[in-house]
Amino acid sequence: DAGVTQSPTHLIKTRGQQVTLRCSPKSGHDTVSWYQQALGQGPQFIFQYYEEEERQRGNFPDRFSGHQFPNYSSELNVNALLLGDSALYLCASSFFVASYEQYFGPGTRLTVT
Amino acid sequence: AQSVTQLDSHVSVSEGTPVLLRCNYSSSYSPSLFWYVQHPNKGLQLLLKYTSAATLVKGINGFEAEFKKSETSFHLTKPSAHMSDAAEYFCVVSLSNSGYSTLTFGKGTMLLVSP
Repeated sequence: DAGVTQSPTHLIKTRGQQVTLRCSPKSGHDTVSWYQQALGQGPQFIFQYYEEEERQRGNFPDRFSGHQFPNYSSELNVNALLLGDSALYLCASSFFVASYEQYFGPGTRLTVT
Repeated sequence: AQSVTQLDSHVSVSEGTPVLLRCNYSSSYSPSLFWYVQHPNKGLQLLLKYTSAATLVKGINGFEAEFKKSETSFHLTKPSAHMSDAAEYFCVVSLSNSGYSTLTFGKGTMLLVSP
């Protein structure tokens, strides 16, 4: 049983560019959450998707947007990249009815230069 | 608002000695609490969870945590440290809103294990 997978593993972008990160949830999970982990910090919640809609959102600007597909996979898009967006982006999946128990992918390391 | 505070940014122990990682929480009602571990360049792994059942929770790799409501604490312990335990540990509280749960992480405690 495959766990949560994320792609790409690493990414280097330039300020002002746009980036798309992808996540496939654990088999059977229907809810996907995204977190940003800056160097030396704990992960911070960005947003959560269920039934292809954004259900919860953390304190992140509108430059951060997402999408969930009918197969429950998800994308995180960041526009107009800033140097401060450099971080590890983590995807977590769960069952909606037990969405407090989340399983994390290995993350995508984004570097903005 | 719910939050967790990890009282130590770094903890150093010798292999074979006990481990204690401290966490205090703040919540207006009975929370769901978790400990996650993150090894270098790896994703987060769930160690254990408390969801209002038994107050002493056993997790993987010999770790356990005790929920103490009177002290608003959820400290992580292990009787004997192993070199492979060296990693960063996060105390986490779950916030539920209209049925949707999100996780709030502490700042993390780096556990260093020396031979």
